[in-house]
Amino acid sequence: GAVVSQHPSRVICKSGTSVKIECRSLDFQATTMFWYRQFPKQSLMLMATSNEGSKATYEQGVEKDKFLINHASLTLSTLTVTSAHPEDSSFYICSTQLSSGNTIYFGEGSWLTVV
Amino acid sequence: GENVEQHPSTLSVQEGDSAVIKCTYSDSASNYFPWYKQELGKRPQLIIDIRSNVGEKKDQRIAVTLNKTAKHFSLHITETQPEDSAVYFCAASVYGNNRLAFGKGNQVVVIP
Repeated sequence: GAVVSQHPSRVICKSGTSVKIECRSLDFQATTMFWYRQFPKQSLMLMATSNEGSKATYEQGVEKDKFLINHASLTLSTLTVTSAHPEDSSFYICSTQLSSGNTIYFGEGSWLTVV
Repeated sequence: GENVEQHPSTLSVQEGDSAVIKCTYSDSASNYFPWYKQELGKRPQLIIDIRSNVGEKKDQRIAVTLNKTAKHFSLHITETQPEDSAVYFCAASVYGNNRLAFGKGNQVVVIP
């Protein structure tokens, strides 16, 4: 069954508005989650590392004030795209891993379309 | 940071033939190399992985080989089937570190 649940799977929003995407670990605690963005026909690009109880670590070139990450509990991390623009339209996906082993689990992903 | 390069970008094979995708990595500290299959609009699915303490790993029709000296690893798919058509990504990281660096992906098309 699913280990990581992400929603919404699809969302359409107007330019200038904000959109929140949630990523939940099911039946286990995830101290760290990762957020990726994938443009059509391109690879997954790491945006930021979400750490429970502390500030997220952003990759170079990713605006932390635009992509707000909150990891307030051990089972939930959220990514909020603020003041969305059409160029933010993309596939956003989170990942995490169980404390034992190294298998990395991805959420289902969220398609964001900004109109 | 780690830089993973993947080639070819597209690969077409006849059903039943083999497909090989190659990746190179730059960081000698990387010791974990997973391969993911991604169908359009869906999450990446882990199909096989290898750690640097072995040179080859096989799972039915899929195998991965690793050359630590040359810093490259390859995915081999034998007896390809139409359902193998997808985008395949290689990745590299330090084992236990969830922070994956992905290659650019390879579109594999299996022609019936």
